[in-house]
Amino acid sequence: AQSVAQPEDQVNVAEGNPLTVKCTYSVSGNPYLFWYVQYPNRGLQFLLKYITGDNLVKGSYGFEAEFNKSQTSFHLKKPSALVSDSALYFCAVRDTGSARQLTFGSGTQLTVLP
Amino acid sequence: GAGVSQTPSNKVTEKGKYVELRCDPISGHTALYWYRQSLGQGPEFLIYFQGTGAADDSGLPNDRFFAVRPEGSVSTLKIQRTERGDSAVYLCASSPPGADTQYFGPGTRLTVL
Repeated sequence: AQSVAQPEDQVNVAEGNPLTVKCTYSVSGNPYLFWYVQYPNRGLQFLLKYITGDNLVKGSYGFEAEFNKSQTSFHLKKPSALVSDSALYFCAVRDTGSARQLTFGSGTQLTVLP
Repeated sequence: GAGVSQTPSNKVTEKGKYVELRCDPISGHTALYWYRQSLGQGPEFLIYFQGTGAADDSGLPNDRFFAVRPEGSVSTLKIQRTERGDSAVYLCASSPPGADTQYFGPGTRLTVL
């Protein structure tokens, strides 16, 4: 079985400061890892993914994430937060086996304060 | 280009009624997924189609839930004898052939009174 943990329900950061949203995962094989963002009353928007290769993945809107196999983590980061980054962020995982569905974390509400 | 579309955006029904939720994937996407998102939670997998066939329906909670994709494009999620616990946002996603990224629609908010 695969699972994802997002240990923080809420993250607050000042505009211009770096931000980190944490994610740890559990899969039986090698993971495919994803970050999605959800704005109010809208669907999930894809930000970035890790499949293989470089552990540092760069995605949309200046976000990046670092895959750490030994810590089974895939934390989302951005060097300088914007007020417009305020949204609900979801980490998701799938196994590289035959199952194609994503397993999502419970989400982290990011608030960037002006 | 056009993204994944879902209709209706909102559906209010009474307990015991039958509902259909529609998903129109991105053109050319062969894989289609249904998820359910309850308030304050992440999406939970329901069913996955590859072409016309359901490749994995292990997430359907019970036999009141059923989904079809007869021509390999549009999909309909069908819920019989709705219960108040079925109230949630139902999300649809699609992927192009050979790709891993799933692209989500805006969802249908189902409210069962």
